[in-house]
Amino acid sequence: EPEVTQTPSHQVTQMGQEVILRCVPISNHLYFYWYRQILGQKVEFLVSFYNNEISEKSEIFDDQFSVERPDGSNFTLKIRSTKLEDSAMYFCASRQGLRSNQPQHFGDGTRLSIL
Amino acid sequence: GENVEQHPSTLSVQEGDSAVIKCTYSDSASNYFPWYKQELGKRPQLIIDIRSNVGEKKDQRIAVTLNKTAKHFSLHITETQPEDSAVYFCAARNTGGFKTIFGAGTRLFVKA
Repeated sequence: EPEVTQTPSHQVTQMGQEVILRCVPISNHLYFYWYRQILGQKVEFLVSFYNNEISEKSEIFDDQFSVERPDGSNFTLKIRSTKLEDSAMYFCASRQGLRSNQPQHFGDGTRLSIL
Repeated sequence: GENVEQHPSTLSVQEGDSAVIKCTYSDSASNYFPWYKQELGKRPQLIIDIRSNVGEKKDQRIAVTLNKTAKHFSLHITETQPEDSAVYFCAARNTGGFKTIFGAGTRLFVKA
């Protein structure tokens, strides 16, 4: 069964540094998402992306965040100047999108640790 | 803004008993309601979902009910087993499918 893959599995970065988290969605999927989960807390929606543009974003997704689909397979999340509170698990998800009520498929996540 | 409330936050049951987790949502435009199981350090795994035009759905020991008028939906697990122990999240997605809001999660313990 095809999967969403994320790299790296764990990223350790100094506060103030830029970080890029990478995702390869399932190949025939059209909708892409990033979520954040702080340790022990709920999964929080960050942003959705469709047709090469952001469809919707949450209040968490401020100017420090950006997403990009640089080629036909990768979907990246960039945090420009990381803060301690950005430490969390970041999940990428994708959905085929032929119907609006299809399930999302999650990757295994990237654990981001800001020092 | 949109919100999904989930109760209880922790649930402990004896093996073989049933477990029920309840959620309410605020956005009446929500039309898709998935439930996820998350084990420690792992990705959320979809276990069952329900669409807004359906009141109930069952898959073996798992069932979900939806009351659109009251804006609440519930997960029912029967004949619980120790391997059902995990954190369960409900979620609600808006029309168009661009945004999914998760509940706070329920930590389920099934005691052998």
